[in-house]
Amino acid sequence: AQSVTQLGSHVSVSEGALVLLRCNYSSSVPPYLFWYVQYPNQGLQLLLKYTSAATLVKGINGFEAEFKKSETSFHLTKPSAHMSDAAEYFCAVSDGNQAGTALIFGKGTTLSVSS
Amino acid sequence: EPEVTQTPSHQVTQMGQEVILRCVPISNHLYFYWYRQILGQKVEFLVSFYNNEISEKSEIFDDQFSVERPDGSNFTLKIRSTKLEDSAMYFCASSEGQGPQETQYFGPGTRLLVL
Repeated sequence: AQSVTQLGSHVSVSEGALVLLRCNYSSSVPPYLFWYVQYPNQGLQLLLKYTSAATLVKGINGFEAEFKKSETSFHLTKPSAHMSDAAEYFCAVSDGNQAGTALIFGKGTTLSVSS
Repeated sequence: EPEVTQTPSHQVTQMGQEVILRCVPISNHLYFYWYRQILGQKVEFLVSFYNNEISEKSEIFDDQFSVERPDGSNFTLKIRSTKLEDSAMYFCASSEGQGPQETQYFGPGTRLLVL
């Protein structure tokens, strides 16, 4: 069964600092991986996704993530945090080997950005 | 930009009552989903729906739950007899195609509180 673990339920950074949000997955088949962001009172918005085309995936708002099969990781990074990045971030995996399309989510990481 | 909408944003109900949560998926999307997030826990898949049939459902989606596409635009989740443990944020999502690589677009959620 697929699973996702997000290390750190809460990450705090200063404005301009590097953002690193960790995600490790468990999958018996090559996975499809997603990062979603949720701003207060809004739905989940796709930041980026990995579909095996390239290991380094660039997303919206300056975020990127690198798929590392040897580490079963898909960590999300941004070189310089902005106050508007404060939100909750969810890593998710989709089973690449079945017709169903259920996304399996991690518990989420709340990012706080201080000035 | 097209988006998934959900109504109501909040609903309070008494245990044992029926509730219907409504969603309007993105207009050209064909695949629809419901997820829920109990406070402090992971976002969990409930059900996926295509061509007026359930494609996949989780163990959570038992006989007290049902989904329907009553017309060309709405997609509903009915809980027949609510329990305290049904209190959660319910997210609707839609995708253009089906498959593990497809992006699912989420609505803002309905927060259900069962008293």
